[in-house]
Order: sequence, then structure tokens, then C-alpha cells
Amino acid sequence: ETGVTQSPTHLIKTRGQQVTLRCSSQSGHNTVSWYQQALGQGPQFIFQYYREEENGRGNFPPRFSGLQFPNYSSELNVNALELDDSALYLCASSCRECKVETQYFGPGTRLLVL
Amino acid sequence: AQSVTQPDIHITVSEGASLELRCNYSYGATPYLFWYVQSPGQGLQLLLKYFSGDTLVQGIKGFEAEFKRSQSSFNLRKPSVHWSDAAEYFCAVAPSGAGSYQLTFGKGTKLSVIP
Repeated sequence: ETGVTQSPTHLIKTRGQQVTLRCSSQSGHNTVSWYQQALGQGPQFIFQYYREEENGRGNFPPRFSGLQFPNYSSELNVNALELDDSALYLCASSCRECKVETQYFGPGTRLLVL
Repeated sequence: AQSVTQPDIHITVSEGASLELRCNYSYGATPYLFWYVQSPGQGLQLLLKYFSGDTLVQGIKGFEAEFKRSQSSFNLRKPSVHWSDAAEYFCAVAPSGAGSYQLTFGKGTKLSVIP
């Protein structure tokens, strides 16, 4: 098991609501990436945070936003939820500028939008 | 833009048989290459990665992959499959460079193993 944890594990929301997902990174890691995995698809890169700054973004609208905190944990916020936002949301932590650079994924948060 | 193609959506093999999962990528330069495995309801586990050097990469659980620049391929192999290998396998690429890990994934290949 990795040291990356995510909460909650499951979540049900209705269209138009807002949601916040949380990720605690592996000890010593300073970078967090978020991915969306729709059913039957590969994960899609949403964005990455490095030392509390956004460091790259995939093809997702601005209603997907994030934060990284001084302890390098992170939040993913999604506003105005749509049915297509139903997916498994994965976070992954890694360490830039470290001797050993490996990325570890958390178990994911499964979001259902009704 | 980079892309990853995994041509096989579903593969079924008998336990003890050999396995090869195909992966082709489209990228401007040689990217970093990865294979991940995902069991049902689980997150992703890294099997192996290629950054540079020897084009044959050894990973965990007896997996290996070979990078072929001329074919833009990074196929995953295992000489003898175990029932516990049944899972979904994802190939991914990332821009080369320190610590990027901004991955583009393929759509995955689901592996079923017949006892």
C-alpha cells in the first residue's frame, strides 16, 4: 500500500452542487496530481500542484479547481456538477528534485452525480 | 498533442501462458513511459517505467517491457501468467524532464486469466 490517502471514498451529489475531494500525499512528496477516470476509460490528467502552485493543467474547464497546502496535501473542487462528472477521482503524489522520483496513486474517490 | 493507443480492449489467456500487451504512443520527442495495473475498485500500481538507457525494462511481479523507438511502442510482457494477474493494465506517457509525471493514459487492456 502507498502512503497516499483520499477522502471520502464514495460520494453522491446532485447536478449543480459543488464538491470537495481531499488527498494526503506520501511523506516527503511535494507534488500532487489529480486525474479523472470515467467508467471503462483510462485516467485523464486534470492538473498538478507543486509547492502550492498549479504546475500544469489538462483539458478541463475552470469549474475544476484545486489547492495545495503547506503540508503538501491537496483539494480538488468541482463547481456546478454535471452528470458527466461521475467518475473515479485519483490523486497521485510525487517528489520533484528528489533523488528517487516515483509517483504513487491513492485509492480514489468515487463520485456519482445524479 | 501526445496520445497513447492500447489496441486490445480485452485479452484472455490461460494460467501459465505468456502474455504481451501492446502500447503505441504518439509524441514529439521520446517521452517517459509507464505501465500501471489496476485491480477492480483499486487505485493504480506502477509496474515499471522507462526514462532512458536500456530499452528492456524489468518491473515488479515478473513483468518486463521493451521500448522500441522506431515503432513508437512500449509493449508489456510476462512469460507465465498467474491467476492473480487478472486486472486492467494501462500504458502511459509523460513529458521527459525531472519530476513531471503529468501522465497521458491509454484506455486500458482488461486481462482475464483462465485457470
